[in-house]
Amino acid sequence: EDQVTQSPEALRLQEGESSSLNCSYTVSGLRGLFWYRQDPGKGPEFLFTLYSAGEEKEKERLKATLTKKESFLHITAPKPEDSATYLCAAVARDAGNNRKLIWGLGTSLAVNP
Amino acid sequence: DSGVTQTPKHLITATGQRVTLRCSPRSGDLSVYWYQQSLDQGLQFLIQYYNGEERAKGNILERFSAQQFPDLHSELNLSSLELGDSALYFCASSVDGGINYGYTFGSGTRLTVV
Repeated sequence: EDQVTQSPEALRLQEGESSSLNCSYTVSGLRGLFWYRQDPGKGPEFLFTLYSAGEEKEKERLKATLTKKESFLHITAPKPEDSATYLCAAVARDAGNNRKLIWGLGTSLAVNP
Repeated sequence: DSGVTQTPKHLITATGQRVTLRCSPRSGDLSVYWYQQSLDQGLQFLIQYYNGEERAKGNILERFSAQQFPDLHSELNLSSLELGDSALYFCASSVDGGINYGYTFGSGTRLTVV
């Protein structure tokens, strides 16, 4: 069964303390992996798409990487405004060969000043 | 502002009632997706429409239905509401099936069933 697991569930960092969030996936025929950021009471905001193992993408203090089994979101020198829930979603194919997204439950990140 | 508009933002209704949630996709996007988000289950895909046609179905209950109109706005109808239907309902749209730019989400409708 296709599955995406994110860890840790919650993470508290001090401002400037770098860390990584993990997204492990078990998906047959991965077609891509998305990272999103979600602020409380708002819709998820697209961050990155990764397509193949070894690929990396960066945006400001965030860098996403992908292996054959997992993806990491590295946060370098985080600031309080980076506090949010970070979601990953794996793109797979259903029985009708349609794209489907398998979502993780997210990592809730809090960055203290 | 993401460009995806959802109304209403909040909705409080009683069990057994029926409600309609509305979504206007980002200009130029042909695909609309509906998601339900609750604290314990995360984002659950309900249904996708592409240019007026149903394209994919997820974990959508029979009490729920949706449609996409010629002007591409979409409505999600929830009937015979139960307490467990209380959740955030998100609409998202995409231009290329989300391949390169992901999905653009609206701010959601918070439904509370009492």
